[in-house]
Amino acid sequence: ETGVTQSPTHLIKTRGQQVTLRCSSQSGHNTVSWYQQALGQGPQFIFQYYREEENGRGNFPPRFSGLQFPNYSSELNVNALELDDSALYLCASSLTQYNEQFFGPGTRLTVL
Amino acid sequence: AQKITQTQPGMFVQEKEAVTLDCTYDTSDQSYGLFWYKQPSSGEMIFLIYQGSYDEQNATEGRYSLNFQKARKSANLVISASQLGDSAMYFCAMREERNAGNNRKLIWGLGTSLAVNP
Repeated sequence: ETGVTQSPTHLIKTRGQQVTLRCSSQSGHNTVSWYQQALGQGPQFIFQYYREEENGRGNFPPRFSGLQFPNYSSELNVNALELDDSALYLCASSLTQYNEQFFGPGTRLTVL
Repeated sequence: AQKITQTQPGMFVQEKEAVTLDCTYDTSDQSYGLFWYKQPSSGEMIFLIYQGSYDEQNATEGRYSLNFQKARKSANLVISASQLGDSAMYFCAMREERNAGNNRKLIWGLGTSLAVNP
């Protein structure tokens, strides 16, 4: 059974650019959640997708957007990058929206 | 408002001893779940243990146990027989499980850094 994978592992962008982060769910999992974890902080919920529909959103601006595909993999897109977007971005999948979440290794984004 | 508080920024423990990591929570919901995750320096969040608000027994998973005191709104993690590989950040998280709405987001504390000394 393959766990949650994320790509890329590290990324460096400049302010104003756009970025796409990718996540492959654990086999059989139909729910994906994205979190932003700034240095020294706990993760902050960005949004969740359940069967290709957004299923809840945290306190993030619209320039943070996402997609979930029929195979339940997911993308997080961030437009007009700001310095404060520098963080570890974690993707988590769960069997359903009611089950515990299993996390990928994260993508570390640095915005210069 | 939902909130998780972890008051210990850092903890030290000797190898093979037990350690308790504190977590208190605030919620107005009756149905919720409490989670503990471990985050090594590699960054990946590793699920350790879960306690449902209606569970009468404290959850246990191997060397991990959760000391759940509902009236005090605390959910402390106890790690028995600490190992060097237990050195990591530990996060307490909560999820409201009411039926209204479909949002099952996790609310997280700031974490506790645990160092296991040989």
